[in-house]
Amino acid sequence: QQQVKQSPQSLIVQKGGISIINCAYENTAFDYFPWYQQFPGKGPALLIAIRPDVSEKKEGRFTISFNKSAKQFSLHIMDSQPGDSATYFCAARGGGNKLTFGTGTQLKVEL
Amino acid sequence: KAGVTQTPRYLIKTRGQQVTLSCSPISGHRSVSWYQQTPGQGLQFLFEYFSETQRNKGNFPGRFSGRQFSNSRSEMNVSTLELGDSALYLCASSLEPQETQYFGPGTRLLVL
Repeated sequence: QQQVKQSPQSLIVQKGGISIINCAYENTAFDYFPWYQQFPGKGPALLIAIRPDVSEKKEGRFTISFNKSAKQFSLHIMDSQPGDSATYFCAARGGGNKLTFGTGTQLKVEL
Repeated sequence: KAGVTQTPRYLIKTRGQQVTLSCSPISGHRSVSWYQQTPGQGLQFLFEYFSETQRNKGNFPGRFSGRQFSNSRSEMNVSTLELGDSALYLCASSLEPQETQYFGPGTRLLVL
């Protein structure tokens, strides 16, 4: 049973535009929601994370918006750059330190 | 500070063989988790170790096992390999359980 649904599967954005990736979860016991960025041939790298008692967190060009009542959270990448082209995974932590991942979004930022 | 290191980086095995993968966590990190990444199933949790004890286990068959040593280094073993075990195996470490996990580069296993 997939507990974290991620959309879209792929996304093409123009340089300087805003990239938005959405995730929805089912398990209300999740207590921590990180986003990871993965480049080909590399392991996932932590981008930004949020706890459910916060509605928004911003770090540089990256912002997480969190809607606890809707059980949804999203990643916004402002001023998207070609170097941001990668696969992005949302995740949710529950059951100890176990991360449940979304299916990933392949982002391509075009010049 | 060095990141999570995994060895070997690439591995080719044949069906029925067994394999052992190694993970060295970030210095000072005591919790290690393992994940399997495949195109079809995505990233799936295998197990988590802390203080040499398995704290949590994912939904994988008993052919998948692991252990953690007193220096926090961890190994995972897959016995009787199947074609479907071909995947990128990722190790992640955190200071303590419930802390942020940092991933290594993974070991890419190909089963022929």
